[in-house]
Amino acid sequence: DTGVSQDPRHKITKRGQNVTFRCDPISEHNRLYWYRQTLGQGPEFLTYFQNEAQLEKSRLLSDRFSAERPKGSFSTLEIQRTEQGDSAMYLCASSPHSFDGGNTEAFFGQGTRLTVV
Amino acid sequence: AQSVTQLDSHVSVSEGTPVLLRCNYSSSYSPSLFWYVQHPNKGLQLLLKYTSAATLVKGINGFEAEFKKSETSFHLTKPSAHMSDAAEYFCVVSIAGTASKLTFGTGTRLQVTL
Repeated sequence: DTGVSQDPRHKITKRGQNVTFRCDPISEHNRLYWYRQTLGQGPEFLTYFQNEAQLEKSRLLSDRFSAERPKGSFSTLEIQRTEQGDSAMYLCASSPHSFDGGNTEAFFGQGTRLTVV
Repeated sequence: AQSVTQLDSHVSVSEGTPVLLRCNYSSSYSPSLFWYVQHPNKGLQLLLKYTSAATLVKGINGFEAEFKKSETSFHLTKPSAHMSDAAEYFCVVSIAGTASKLTFGTGTRLQVTL
C-alpha cells in the first residue's frame, strides 16, 4: 500500500495524559498537512510542512500541540495534557510539490480517532 | 479569506435518481475547488477538482461539477445515484500560492434509498 498511513487508528486516553500520533506520507510527496475533524464538521487545517520545515500553523494549534517532521519523511503530532475538547479525528495528508505555484491534489490517510475520557 | 458553504447537511435520494449537492464559495482570489467523499472508516477521497481550466469538471464514479463564477457556485451532480454513493461529501476551496491548504465545508451526508 503506497498511500498515506496513520498510526494508531484509534486512541483512548485519560484527560491530562500526553499522546503522539504518527503519519507516513506518500514517499515522493514533500508537503505534509495535519487536519482535525470533529463530529459533524469538515476537517480544519492545523499545520503543514514542506520537507522538514513547518511553514504554517493554525491558531487552532494551541501550545499543547506540537508537530515535527524531522527528516522530511514521516511526521508526528503530539498533544500534551489532553483535554476532553481534544477528542476528534486527526487527519494527515500529503501532496507533491507544485512547480508553478498552483495547487496539487492532497491525499489523505484514514485518520487517528482520539477519545479523551 | 476563503470559505465554502454547503447548503444542505443531509440529502436523500432514491437509487437511480439524480443527485445534486450544493456548494457556494467565497474567495478573494481565483480559487481551486474540490469535492471530496468520505465513506465510513475510510480516508477522504478526491472526486474531482476545478483549477481554472474547463468550467465543467468530470470526476470519478460518474460525478461532475460546474464552476459558475457569476453565482459563486460549484454544485456536484450525478445523473443516477447508486447505493454505493451513500457517504459524506465535502466541498473544498484552496487558493493558489497557499501550498494547497484546504478549507472544507461542513459536509453533506448523502443517503440513497431503494
